Amino acid sequence: EIVLTQSPGTLSLSPGERATLSCRASQSVPGSYVAWYRQKPGQAPRLLIYGASSRATGIPDRFSGSGSGTDFTLTISRLEPEDFAVYHCQQYGSSPRTFGQGTKVEIK
Amino acid sequence: EVQLVESGGGLVQPGGSLRLSCAVSGFTVSSTWMSWVRQAPGKGLEWVGNIKEDGSDKYYVDSVRGRFTISRDTAQNSLYLQMNSLRVEDTAMYYCARDHYGVPSGATYDIWGQGTMVTVSS
Repeated sequence: EIVLTQSPGTLSLSPGERATLSCRASQSVPGSYVAWYRQKPGQAPRLLIYGASSRATGIPDRFSGSGSGTDFTLTISRLEPEDFAVYHCQQYGSSPRTFGQGTKVEIK
Repeated sequence: EVQLVESGGGLVQPGGSLRLSCAVSGFTVSSTWMSWVRQAPGKGLEWVGNIKEDGSDKYYVDSVRGRFTISRDTAQNSLYLQMNSLRVEDTAMYYCARDHYGVPSGATYDIWGQGTMVTVSS
């Protein structure tokens, strides 16, 4: 099973700032099949990025994903108020599909 | 409108059973793989299991295999999760979700329900 470790645990930033979130896998993720989700308090997750770098339908271009092998990154170019939330990475290149423990982006 | 609505959660004693339902609207359960995903309080997400669009294949995470069963009803356009021999560590919010951008080893989830809470405690 591929274990995903997200860092940092919490990121304190101001609106308009750039956020860089990391997701490291315990072994190489086949096909770079990594996704990112945003989860606002009390809500279900929402798919942002799939295939490491492709934006899901309706996702604004301030969200971008990159990476391959064991290291993946989600970048939010300018934080909007709705972006202060928890972000989860997920790998689906190896069964079972697994998630990281999440990174919380909070208002500084 | 594409929507998933879960129900059936609640408080149950260890060793007990519970059946969760997920009502689907805006698409049919027979058109796509569907999954159950859970999230323990303050923890990350965990894929529980999924079912193929025709119902012929079902897969589960090791920790629930043999205790949980996923099924679907095309007439009701609904997904179900039968949970038996429940343990304290099964306490979580349970979400149904639609598999999307699938590859042979797995998929992402593009549509999620609002979740239903299951608490296993004596």
